[in-house]
Amino acid sequence: IAGITQAPTSQILAAGRRMTLRCTQDMRHNAMYWYRQDLGLGLRLIHYSNTAGTTGKGEVPDGYSVSRANTDDFPLTLASAVPSQTSVYFCASSEEQGARGYTFGSGTRLTVV
Amino acid sequence: DAKTTQPPSMDCAEGRAANLPCNHSTISGNEYVYWYRQIHSQGPQYIIHGLKNNETNEMASLIITEDRKSSTLILPHATLRDTAVYYCIVRAYNAGNMLTFGGGTRLMVKP
Repeated sequence: IAGITQAPTSQILAAGRRMTLRCTQDMRHNAMYWYRQDLGLGLRLIHYSNTAGTTGKGEVPDGYSVSRANTDDFPLTLASAVPSQTSVYFCASSEEQGARGYTFGSGTRLTVV
Repeated sequence: DAKTTQPPSMDCAEGRAANLPCNHSTISGNEYVYWYRQIHSQGPQYIIHGLKNNETNEMASLIITEDRKSSTLILPHATLRDTAVYYCIVRAYNAGNMLTFGGGTRLMVKP
C-alpha cells in the first residue's frame, strides 16, 4: 500500500542524546514535511523540502535538522534532545507545494526524559 | 493563509448527517478551502478541498457560500469511525509549505 512509513513508532530518549526520526514515502511526491503535535494542540511545521536536495525552515525549526538526499527519504534529526521536544512527530508529503492534499504518516511518539 | 473559525466541538447521532461549519471571512480570491481530519493518535487525513464550487467525493461534500466567507463540510451518514478532530484550512494553491492547522472541531459521533 502506497504511503508514508515513519520509524520508530515510539521512543523514550535521554536528554542530550542524538536521535534521527526516519520517514520514507513511495508515492514519488516532490514535497515532504515534518510537523510536531503537542498534547491537545494543533500541528506545527518544523522543516520542509520542496524537492530532493532542498530544505527549508518551518514555524519551529530550532533544535532540529533535516536532509533530503533523494525523493523518498526525509529524516529529521535532533542533535541534542531536550524535554521540550517531547511530542508526536508527523511526516507528510504532497505532489506539489501543497497544491493537493497532504499524505501523513502514522507518527512517532517521542518522550525526552 | 486566511484565518478560520470553527466551533470547538460538536455531537452527531450515528447515521445522521454531520454538518461542520467553518468561517473564513478574510479569504482571498486565490485561496482554496481544505478539510482534514485527525482520528485519535493518527496522522491527519485529507478529506476534500474546493475553491468556489461545491465539491463531493467518496468521503464528504463541501458546500462553499457564494461570497466564499464560510463553508460547511458534510458527512452524509456519520459513523462511529468518523469521530475525530476536523480541521478547516484556507490557503492559496501555490502558497508554499506552511499548512497551518488551527484548533479544529472535535466531532463526537454517538450511537
